[in-house]
Amino acid sequence: DTAVSQTPKYLVTQMGNDKSIKCEQNLGHDTMYWYKQDSKKFLKIMFSYNNKELIINETVPNRFSPKSPDKAHLNLHINSLELGDSAVYFCASSSEDGYTFGSGTRLTVV
Amino acid sequence: KQEVTQIPAALSVPEGENLVLNCSFTDSAIYNLQWFRQDPGKGLTSLLLIQSSQREQTSGRLNASLDKSSGRSTLYIAASQPGDSATYLCAARVGGTYKYIFGTGTRLKVLA
Repeated sequence: DTAVSQTPKYLVTQMGNDKSIKCEQNLGHDTMYWYKQDSKKFLKIMFSYNNKELIINETVPNRFSPKSPDKAHLNLHINSLELGDSAVYFCASSSEDGYTFGSGTRLTVV
Repeated sequence: KQEVTQIPAALSVPEGENLVLNCSFTDSAIYNLQWFRQDPGKGLTSLLLIQSSQREQTSGRLNASLDKSSGRSTLYIAASQPGDSATYLCAARVGGTYKYIFGTGTRLKVLA
């Protein structure tokens, strides 16, 4: 199936831990993104990579670090997790035909 | 700075009604505009993409229009069905960038 897939789907972890979310797309898109959807369902861009190069880096705490080993993968590592990091994180990729989203990772920090 | 707003925030209609969802953006220099639906606890599904040079796009019972000069896009849903119940989001791609700015969403409920 052609898609944007991200793992894990659910992540429950304690404050202070470090965790990673992985994303892969097989659509051949050059650009990938991480978005955060908060409890009010508002989607806000965090990062974007184009051909492994960081092109968008919004005002995000530096505890969040994206990594793109190749243009089909974009991972998100979060250090020292805080309660306020609880949200749904979406990976997406884009071409001239628009965005394709992954199904999201629901992160709960307890 | 591009801002995207959607009105109404929530809408409840009886089955069979035709309805219009609105999306407004502050900067007309957009590259394209995309409409999505999001079901509870799910990801976003793309519905329609309108390039900046286009006026409208149609897919089945859905029709999206774009008026850059007035900073508006509308999503028209004909003969609404309970299965259309979801949150509808519009996103404008900022001209010259890869960045999409999302609207606040319209939560639609179609009653059987």
